[in-house]
Amino acid sequence: KAGVTQTPRYLIKTRGQQVTLSCSPISGHRSVSWYQQTPGQGLQFLFEYFSETQRNKGNFPGRFSGRQFSNSRSEMNVSTLELGDSALYLCASSLSTATDTQYFGPGTRLTVL
Amino acid sequence: QKEVEQNSGPLSVPEGAIASLNCTYSDRGSQSFFWYRQYSGKSPELIMFIYSNGDKEDGRFTAQLNKASQYVSLLIRDSQPSDSATYLCAVSLSGNTPLVFGKGTRLSVIA
Repeated sequence: KAGVTQTPRYLIKTRGQQVTLSCSPISGHRSVSWYQQTPGQGLQFLFEYFSETQRNKGNFPGRFSGRQFSNSRSEMNVSTLELGDSALYLCASSLSTATDTQYFGPGTRLTVL
Repeated sequence: QKEVEQNSGPLSVPEGAIASLNCTYSDRGSQSFFWYRQYSGKSPELIMFIYSNGDKEDGRFTAQLNKASQYVSLLIRDSQPSDSATYLCAVSLSGNTPLVFGKGTRLSVIA
């Protein structure tokens, strides 16, 4: 069974730009969660999607948004990038709830210059 | 503010010893508890989950939960250098609430 895939794996952007990251969950998984990981703050929850609906949202500004498609693939978008947005963005999929076993993708390393 | 606290380490143990990793959480209503392992440059992978008070064993790993003390731990018996990684504790209130992760404890197993 194919694992969670994320594209792109690496991104370099400049302040003020926007970026879109993509996540394809494991086949049959309907819940997709996004996390931001930085050395100082650890793993922080961004949002969770289930059946194309945002079910949970973390404490991040509105510049961070996401969506889920009918095939469960998910995208997250960050607008007006700031230096502090540099991080590893991880996507995790699970069968139906956030506390089913979550399988993480390899992540997208975003660097904002 | 729901919080999950872990000692950042590094925790150094000799090969073959027992490594004990600890985690405390602030929300008394927490129901589900998870331990993830993250190797440097890789994404987290689930080691164990525990829902009930007491011990749960899986191979060399034992998770211990004490809801009264709001404390969950992970014991790794016969530690191997390949166990060297960062261990993340994650907690959730219920099935549809997101996991809250601790910042992780870095474990180093010395050969």
